[in-house]
Amino acid sequence: EVQLLESGGGLVQPGGSLRLSCAASGFTLSSYAMSWVRQAPGKGLEWVSGISGSGGSTNYADSVKGRFTISRDNSKNTVHLQMNSLRAEDTAVYYCAKRSGSYSSSSADYWGQGTLVTVSS
Amino acid sequence: QSVLTQPPSVSAAPGQKVTISCSGSSSNIGDNYVSWYQQLPGTAPKLLIYDNNKRPSGIPDRFSGSKSGTSATLGITGLQTGDEADYYCGTWDSSLSAGVFGGGTKLTVL
Repeated sequence: EVQLLESGGGLVQPGGSLRLSCAASGFTLSSYAMSWVRQAPGKGLEWVSGISGSGGSTNYADSVKGRFTISRDNSKNTVHLQMNSLRAEDTAVYYCAKRSGSYSSSSADYWGQGTLVTVSS
Repeated sequence: QSVLTQPPSVSAAPGQKVTISCSGSSSNIGDNYVSWYQQLPGTAPKLLIYDNNKRPSGIPDRFSGSKSGTSATLGITGLQTGDEADYYCGTWDSSLSAGVFGGGTKLTVL
């Protein structure tokens, strides 16, 4: 059974940093791209970042480019999102999603339950 | 402002059929497969349709997807109260090199 468990969310001040983790199980992580999708309170889904199965290709939304970094450790079955220079508008539930193929352009076939990030002073 | 355009809401009676549209451009829907996601209140999104018109295992055939040019459509027949949810279309944008979603459509089953 595919399971994705996010952790690392919490309250952080503007300008601060957080590192989100996604622990994956039930499938061979290295064979699939992974992504982070966020949802601000009462708002729709926003794709944040994606990483290919090998980790050799990464992509970012313009809204987070230069501030967020996605990475993966296939040996530890984890995916990370390092978030720096956080802003109030980054406040959202962050979902980890498995892609159905090895590239970020494939559909998100499994989602975690999400972790809440709140940026506020 | 979402890259893909969906109607904010749709409604229909139980047992009826509803369609939800998703409009994009040549760099996203026109160039890539479309997926649809269902988000029930208070839960994570769930894949409903992938590759324009394919259903993952466990998704009933009441749900269908289609794509034509730069637009896609989700169809739901035999509406049930349990179908009340937010529905999102999503795809890849080849120009942005990024994933994109529609703004979401809230389905109300009257």
